[in-house]
Amino acid sequence: DQQVKQNSPSLSVQEGRISILNCDYTNSMFDYFLWYKKYPAEGPTFLISISSIKDKNEDGRFTVFLNKSAKHLSLHIVPSQPGDSAVYFCAASDKVTGGGNKLTFGTGTQLKVEL
Amino acid sequence: NAGVTQTPKFQVLKTGQSMTLQCAQDMNHNSMYWYRQDPGMGLRLIYYSASEGTTDKGEVPNGYNVSRLNKREFSLRLESAAPSQTSVYFCASSEMSSTLITDTQYFGPGTRLTVL
Repeated sequence: DQQVKQNSPSLSVQEGRISILNCDYTNSMFDYFLWYKKYPAEGPTFLISISSIKDKNEDGRFTVFLNKSAKHLSLHIVPSQPGDSAVYFCAASDKVTGGGNKLTFGTGTQLKVEL
Repeated sequence: NAGVTQTPKFQVLKTGQSMTLQCAQDMNHNSMYWYRQDPGMGLRLIYYSASEGTTDKGEVPNGYNVSRLNKREFSLRLESAAPSQTSVYFCASSEMSSTLITDTQYFGPGTRLTVL
């Protein structure tokens, strides 16, 4: 059973407009949520995160919103730029005894920002 | 500062062959991880090492073994490769941030493995 879901495999937006990527989760024990960005033939790179005790976190053009009652989070990119075209993964974190954390990833959303 | 490095970048194996994927990090992180990514799926955790000297199973450990050789290096071994292990393998490392509740994981560039 998939605990983290990204129901939109792809999203296309125009340059300068807002991109909204969505993610749903089922496990209420997750204590942290992260977004990673991935270009082809590269590893995922960390983008932004949010604690389960917050409902919003902003970093420049990127804002993540968390709705705990709905078990839903979203990533907003404003304004979208062509360089934002990539696959975006939502991930949920479980802390590990002794250090580290286990990430459960969604299946990803391919964002294409068009000129 | 190279971050997380993985070797090899590409590998083709025949069914039943064995191989070891190498991973090293130069960020002095305590925790290291191995994931696999298959088409249409997110990354899935194979094994992790919370700290030097410890290893634990993740979501999909069957058919794999790991060794945390020292703080820098974490290897993944396929003893008898199967076509179902055709995938892209990512290594990651993490350290607790002073400003965050949880670790941020940093990923290597991946190893693309094909098992015929």
